[in-house]
Amino acid sequence: DIVMTQSPDSLAVSLGERATINCKSSQSVLYSSINKNQLAWYQQKPGQPPKLLIYWASTRESGVPDRFSASGSGTDFTLTLGSLQAEDVAVYYCQQYYNTPWTFGQGTKVEVK
Amino acid sequence: QVQLQESGPGLVKPSGTLSLTCAVSGDSISSSSWWSWVRQTPGKGLEWIGEIHHSGSTNYNPSLKSRVTISIDRSKNQFSLKLNSVTAADTAIYYCARNAAGSSFDYWGQGTLVIVSS
Repeated sequence: DIVMTQSPDSLAVSLGERATINCKSSQSVLYSSINKNQLAWYQQKPGQPPKLLIYWASTRESGVPDRFSASGSGTDFTLTLGSLQAEDVAVYYCQQYYNTPWTFGQGTKVEVK
Repeated sequence: QVQLQESGPGLVKPSGTLSLTCAVSGDSISSSSWWSWVRQTPGKGLEWIGEIHHSGSTNYNPSLKSRVTISIDRSKNQFSLKLNSVTAADTAIYYCARNAAGSSFDYWGQGTLVIVSS
């Protein structure tokens, strides 16, 4: 199985400030034939299912605000919340879809400082 | 708008079988998508259980494969999960989700809590 490890487990950021979440996979999730990383980011608020934010490591899902950005390739990825809003308080997960079983990171809880 | 809705018993006895159904609307279950079950526990986080394609092809998480069956009902536009020989460790919120072939989970159900207890 590909193990996804996120850091930090939690972080507190002031409103308007930047939040950065890291995700590392135990093996590369770069699909070389199409040069795309099979890595997604999700946001989960209490009592709700995860919501897809980013796919192919850096492509925002339709309707996702542009303050959410992501980057990385191979085994190291980053999700950046450019200017934290109150509604961004949530747990964020990375997920690989390179190999089954599809696996998720353990989650990073983002709170307001 | 694609919507998924889980249904099934919220309480299952130990050693029994957990059975859930996911009703899909806004998309045909016979589309090119795969249809997955994912569960969430405080201890293990998000865990993918398995997926099915309308062709009947399935993929299961090896950690659960011996106990899991996912099936599809094209006439009702729904798919189902059966998990046998459950224990307290199977207590979780169970989600159904859509994933395109080789892609991320773009639509999720609201989730249903299943408790395994006598």
